[in-house]
Amino acid sequence: EAGVAQSPRYKIIEKRQSVAFWCNPISGHATLYWYQQILGQGPKLLIQFQNNGVVDDSQLPKDRFSAERLKGVDSTLKIQPAKLEDSAVYLCASRAGTDSYEQYFGPGTRLTVT
Amino acid sequence: AQSVTQLDSQVPVFEEAPVELRCNYSSSVSVYLFWYVQYPNQGLQLLLKYLSGSTLVESINGFEAEFNKSQTSFHLRKPSVHISDTAEYFCAVYTSGTYKYIFGTGTRLKVLA
Repeated sequence: EAGVAQSPRYKIIEKRQSVAFWCNPISGHATLYWYQQILGQGPKLLIQFQNNGVVDDSQLPKDRFSAERLKGVDSTLKIQPAKLEDSAVYLCASRAGTDSYEQYFGPGTRLTVT
Repeated sequence: AQSVTQLDSQVPVFEEAPVELRCNYSSSVSVYLFWYVQYPNQGLQLLLKYLSGSTLVESINGFEAEFNKSQTSFHLRKPSVHISDTAEYFCAVYTSGTYKYIFGTGTRLKVLA
């Protein structure tokens, strides 16, 4: 079974530029999460999708971050414009459904904003 | 609100020595508990989980954790560590009804030769 795929693995941009990350969850997984992991901290939930609907985006900075999950499969997370404090690893995770409590994480995208 | 506390940010230990990584949580409702391991430049991997039943859960590589409801703890232990166990370990709580996971700040385990 293929795991959660993310791309790119690394990205360096200047502040005020825009960037997009892509995630392809495990096939058949209904729930998809985007997390932000700042160096030295645990992952912080940004947004959660159930199929193609948003379940929780309360911690997503909506003035600059957006995410979508078209057709309930892969997802993109965008930052526009980026700030220095957005430097972090962006992790995507998926979960089979509400009766399964295991999350499977992708390798992450390390973003550096200069 | 739910929260997870990992008091030890770093734990150095010699190879073949025992180790305990501490995790405490706060929640007013029933929870599910997890330990994840993160190796450098990789995503998180599930190490073990407590959903229900026996309060002592074990992983395939020798780690174990015990759910203690009265102390709201889920400490991770291993009787004899290897160099390859060097990694960051995260404790996480899932609260039924919220559909979301809250992570601790992590404990960096460094195994010394």
